[in-house]
Amino acid sequence: ELKVEQNPLFLSMQEGKNYTIYCNYSTTSDRLYWYRQDPGKSLESLFVLLSNGAVKQEGRLMASLDTKARLSTLHITAAVHDLSATYFCAGSNTDKLIFGTGTRLQVFP
Amino acid sequence: NAGVTQTPKFRVLKTGQSMTLLCAQDMNHEYMYWYRQDPGMGLRLIHYSVGEGTTAKGEVPDGYNVSRLKKQNFLLGLESAAPSQTSVYFCASSPGHPPVGYTFGSGTRLTVV
Repeated sequence: ELKVEQNPLFLSMQEGKNYTIYCNYSTTSDRLYWYRQDPGKSLESLFVLLSNGAVKQEGRLMASLDTKARLSTLHITAAVHDLSATYFCAGSNTDKLIFGTGTRLQVFP
Repeated sequence: NAGVTQTPKFRVLKTGQSMTLLCAQDMNHEYMYWYRQDPGMGLRLIHYSVGEGTTAKGEVPDGYNVSRLKKQNFLLGLESAAPSQTSVYFCASSPGHPPVGYTFGSGTRLTVV
C-alpha cells in the first residue's frame, strides 16, 4: 500500500532564503504530484512529475523526482511572502492519489 | 464555468443525524473521489469511483457510503454522524488513471456537535 511522507510539517522561513521540502513514498508510484493550498481554499495543482529525473520549474518553485530513492523535492528559491501556503505531495497508485500530510510554509520579512 | 461543484459549502449536524454531500462535475470525467482533510493529517481518501455505477473503498471508508448513479455526480452519505467526522470534505475528479491531475471542488466544511 502506498504511503507518502512529507517533511518538514511546518516551515517558517525568511524572505530571500532558500529551502527544500521533501516527499518520500513507500512503493512504486506512477507519477508524483505537488499541490498548493491557501488557507480556507481548495487545492491547486503545481507540478506533475512523470518519470525518474524529471524536473519542473515555475517561478521560485522547482520540483524534482528520483524514483530509485522514492523521493521528490520541492525547492523554494529566494522565498517571498506570496509563497506562504500549505504544500502537498501525492503519489499515484492503482486508480487513486495518496497525499502526504502537507508542509505549512510561512514566509516572513 | 466548468469544474467540480460541491454542495453544501457548510453544514452543522447533531450527532446521529444523517446527510448527503453532493459532488457534480461537468467535464465528463470518469474518475471521482472523496477526501477528508484534517489538521496535521493531510488529505485522506474516503471512497472513489472509476466510472458510473462503480465505487471502491479508500483509506478511511468507515462511517461513509457513496453512490455514483450518474457519471457526473458522486454522492457521499453519512448515515449517523459522529463528532469524529467533523472535517473538511473535498471532492475531486480526473479523466483517467494515472491522472494528469485532479480537479478539486471548493470543499464542504462539516461540523458534528
